[in-house]
Order: sequence, then structure tokens, then C-alpha cells
Amino acid sequence: SQTIHQWPATLVQPVGSPLSLECTVEGTSNPNLYWYRQAAGRGLQLLFYSIGIDQISSEVPQNLSASRPQDRQFILSSKKLLLSDSGFYLCAWSVRRGAGEQYFGPGTRLTVT
Amino acid sequence: AQSVTQLGSHVSVSEGALVLLRCNYSSSVPPYLFWYVQYPNQGLQLLLKYTSAATLVKGINGFEAEFKKSETSFHLTKPSAHMSDAAEYFCAVSDNKIIFGKGTRLHILP
Repeated sequence: SQTIHQWPATLVQPVGSPLSLECTVEGTSNPNLYWYRQAAGRGLQLLFYSIGIDQISSEVPQNLSASRPQDRQFILSSKKLLLSDSGFYLCAWSVRRGAGEQYFGPGTRLTVT
Repeated sequence: AQSVTQLGSHVSVSEGALVLLRCNYSSSVPPYLFWYVQYPNQGLQLLLKYTSAATLVKGINGFEAEFKKSETSFHLTKPSAHMSDAAEYFCAVSDNKIIFGKGTRLHILP
């Protein structure tokens, strides 16, 4: 069966510090991968999606970047965090061809102080 | 362009009462439709999905949803609410790309 991991589970970082969040998927090959953010009291905001290694699309211009160095690894980064980067970050995967349902990881709670 | 609207950002029901969470969609092609549940500080979990087979779809935890093309709706129901159903629920539509609604927080009153 497929599983998706995210780490760390929680993170408190000062403004201006760098960020690296990691997501890995097991039990499937060539998945589509996604990064979402949930700010307090708001819905899901799609940040990035990837259909393959080094193939990444950005949905919203912002202070973040994403990379996919391996087929089942997706990394979210920032060089300098802003207060507005605080939120709950979710990674998800889907199969290349299918109904489109996504399967989510457990999330990372990021607080920028 | 496809879109999804969830009516009511907060819904409260008494324990044992019927749960009804509303979702309307728009799509230029026959869509795939989904309901997800999110418990506090957790990721989203797929409750059920409609993929153009039976219009009444049964999911996990006793939930079901009915696809009504004439009403462009995909409402989520459960006959009897439990305290453990308190969570946020997201409706989503997909033709080529999945779009999520803004979510409905379900409160269960004792």
C-alpha cells in the first residue's frame, strides 16, 4: 500500500531563517506531487505541483520554492521566512492517470516568530 | 472552468441527528467528485469519490453522497451524527485538475 510521509511535524522558525520541508511517498511510482498551505481559518492553497523529476509548476508567486530531486521526494524551501509563511503545510500525491483524487500526508505546522 | 461551492462554513448538529453538508459544483465536462475529512492538525482523508458509476456513493465512517446532475450537487450525508464526526469537510471536483471547496466545519452538540 502507498504511504506518504512529511517531516518535521512541527517547526518554529524566526523571521529571515531558511526553511526546508520534506515529503516522501512510498509504494507507488511516477506520482504527481503537490504542496498546499492552510492558513488559520482558510482553505487549501495550492503552492506547487510536479508531474516528474525537475518538473515543477508554481501556482502562486511567493517567498517559497519547491524541488523534486527524486521521483518520490518533494521538498519545499525558503531562503528567508516571512511571518506570513506561518501555516499548516500539506503534501499530497495522485496517480498520473485517474480520477484525480489526491492522498495527503500528515502535514507540517510551521510557526514563524 | 470548474468550481465548487460549499454552503455554510460552519454547521452544527446534535449527536444522533442527520448530518447534511452541501456542495455544488460547476464543470464543463462530466466531473469526478470527492469528499475529504480533516481532523485537527492532521492531513485530509478521502471519505468517498464519485467517478460516474452509481450516483449514490458510500464512503467510510457511515457517510454517503448523492450525485445529482440536474442540481449540480454532491451533498454529503450521515443518518446519525457521532461526536467523533466533528471535523472539517472539503468537497472537491476534478476534470483535469482538482479544485477544493473552502471547507465546512462540522460541530456536534451533545
